[in-house]
Amino acid sequence: EIVMTQSPATLSVSPGERATLSCRASQSVGSNLAWYQQKPGQAPRLLIYSGSARASGVPDRFSGSGSGTEFTLTISSLQSGDFAVYYCQQHNDWPETFGPGTKVDIK
Amino acid sequence: EVHLVASGGGLVQPGRSLRLSCSASGFTFGDWAVSWVRQAPGRGLEWVSSIRSEGYGGTTEYAASVKDRFTISRDDSKSIAYLQMSSLKPEDTAVYYCARRDCNNIFCAALDPWGQGTPVIVSS
Repeated sequence: EIVMTQSPATLSVSPGERATLSCRASQSVGSNLAWYQQKPGQAPRLLIYSGSARASGVPDRFSGSGSGTEFTLTISSLQSGDFAVYYCQQHNDWPETFGPGTKVDIK
Repeated sequence: EVHLVASGGGLVQPGRSLRLSCSASGFTFGDWAVSWVRQAPGRGLEWVSSIRSEGYGGTTEYAASVKDRFTISRDDSKSIAYLQMSSLKPEDTAVYYCARRDCNNIFCAALDPWGQGTPVIVSS
């Protein structure tokens, strides 16, 4: 099973600042990596697929990069609606696995 | 608008069974795969199961933690996917989400969109 790790566990950021979230896979997943945003009491929402492609309707302040085992989600200028938990998921191999999440909260 | 609604959750005793439904609208359901993902209280996301479209044989995948206890299926005439859960354990307690995705014979793309989730509580 591919183990996904995310860092940091919590990221405290002020509105307008940049946030950089990391995701690492225990073995290569190619570009088969997605990022999801989850707000309290809501279902997750797809942000980034194929490592770097923005999903429909996702603002361009969200960007993804990386391939293989190292991936990054960057939020260029945090807005109030961006404070949430972010999960990465590999869908390169079964079983599909998620990282433990990074909580982005207000500094 | 693409929409998925998960239902059928509730309180169930350990060892009993429960069937979840995922009702879809706004797209041609038969052309897409469906997955179930769960989230235990206060925890992260765990992929549970996926079923491909009939065009790819309707084949299924399961997480080891639910294999031989859960069965995923689909009824394209009703645009519904099901998750039949049996021999339920307290550790199956979670909110269960369904999500649409594109799958071929080998792998599946990202999950999009997700339904709102239905809670399952396994307790005596």
